[in-house]
Amino acid sequence: NAGVTQTPKFQVLKTGQSMTLQCAQDMNHNSMYWYRQDPGMGLRLIYYSASEGTTDKGEVPNGYNVSRLNKREFSLRLESAAPSQTSVYFCASSESRADTQYFGPGTRLTVL
Amino acid sequence: DAKTTQPTSMDCAEGRAANLPCNHSTISGNEYVYWYRQIHSQGPQYIIHGLKNNETNEMASLIITEDRKSSTLILPHATLRDTAVYYCIVRVASGGTSYGKLTFGQGTILTVHP
Repeated sequence: NAGVTQTPKFQVLKTGQSMTLQCAQDMNHNSMYWYRQDPGMGLRLIYYSASEGTTDKGEVPNGYNVSRLNKREFSLRLESAAPSQTSVYFCASSESRADTQYFGPGTRLTVL
Repeated sequence: DAKTTQPTSMDCAEGRAANLPCNHSTISGNEYVYWYRQIHSQGPQYIIHGLKNNETNEMASLIITEDRKSSTLILPHATLRDTAVYYCIVRVASGGTSYGKLTFGQGTILTVHP
């Protein structure tokens, strides 16, 4: 079991560029999440998907869109990247919303 | 959601038990205590969680006071690889808009010394 995988590991964008962060899990979990972590801070929830076919906003959704492609995959899209979106992005999954969340290794994004 | 208070940093000698405290005096009856750790910008790693009883797994033990207002995470034999930021999180088990939400605070930086 790979658990939760994320691609890419690192990315540098210019302001205004777009990109999609990919996340996949092989634990047959129903719920998936996207968080961001800024330097010296805790994680903040961007979006989550309680089950396949549903997505909901978290604490800091502005500037992002998500797609729950299937049960395994949950992508995060930045349509027009801004320097304020420079951060480390973590994907997580859990059996259901009530269950323990397991995290991926993260994507380190820099927007110039 | 109940908030948690943790010391900013702690030290521990390798091979000794590391005892990490957490205060959550406003915890509700349907809220669990979760512990995660994050090693040098890696993804957070789940350690343990509990509701009211003490819990133990292969990584750690969790001691929750009888009034549930505080808890202690115990790493029985700390190693250098246990150096990390440890997060104590109170999490609603079911119902309401905060259902399942994980709120990460600043955590405790644990440094294990040789």
